[in-house]
Amino acid sequence: EVQLVESGGGLVQPGRSLKLSCAASGFTFSNYYMAWVRQAPKKGLEWVATISTSGSRTYYPDSVKGRFTISRDNAKSSLYLQMNSLKSEDTATYYCARERFNYDYWGQGVMVTVSS
Amino acid sequence: DIVMTQGALPNPVPSGESASITCQSSKSLLHSNGKTYLNWYLQRPGQSPQLLIYWMSTRASGVSDRFSGSGSGTDFTLKISSVEAEDVGVYYCQQFLEYPLTFGSGTKLEIK
Repeated sequence: EVQLVESGGGLVQPGRSLKLSCAASGFTFSNYYMAWVRQAPKKGLEWVATISTSGSRTYYPDSVKGRFTISRDNAKSSLYLQMNSLKSEDTATYYCARERFNYDYWGQGVMVTVSS
Repeated sequence: DIVMTQGALPNPVPSGESASITCQSSKSLLHSNGKTYLNWYLQRPGQSPQLLIYWMSTRASGVSDRFSGSGSGTDFTLKISSVEAEDVGVYYCQQFLEYPLTFGSGTKLEIK
């Protein structure tokens, strides 16, 4: 059974940093692109980052480019999102998702609140 | 960036009736390989999104055949035949043709 379990969320002050993790199991992690998708409270879905199978290629929307860094450790079947210079508009539930021309599996999400 | 625009539903929809959700993209999602890179997701209340349809019309594993996707390169429809209580939630379309990947704003389905 495919499982994606996020962790690392919480309350953080504007301008500070936070690192999210996603532990994957039930599939060959190194064979798949992986992604982070977020959802602000009562809002829609927003793609945040994608990483290739080896980690050599990463993709971001302009809203987080230069502040967020996606990475992976295939030996540990783990995905990460380093978030720097956090803003109030980054407040959201962050989902880890398996990517292959769609998001066929999602984690349960982890809440990040950016507030002073 | 490709903009995805979703239509609204005349909520609530009577149980057993059909419902159609529309989605329009600002650029054709038809790839040179013949596939159309349009996905549909359902997010039930309090849950993570789940994949319903990919490549515009292919149902994801385990998805009821009451769900069907159709369309052209820029105009798409998700049809739910005979809606049930478990179909309640917000439906999102998403383009997977190019980065940045973009979603529609969502369409809420309520059942009467």
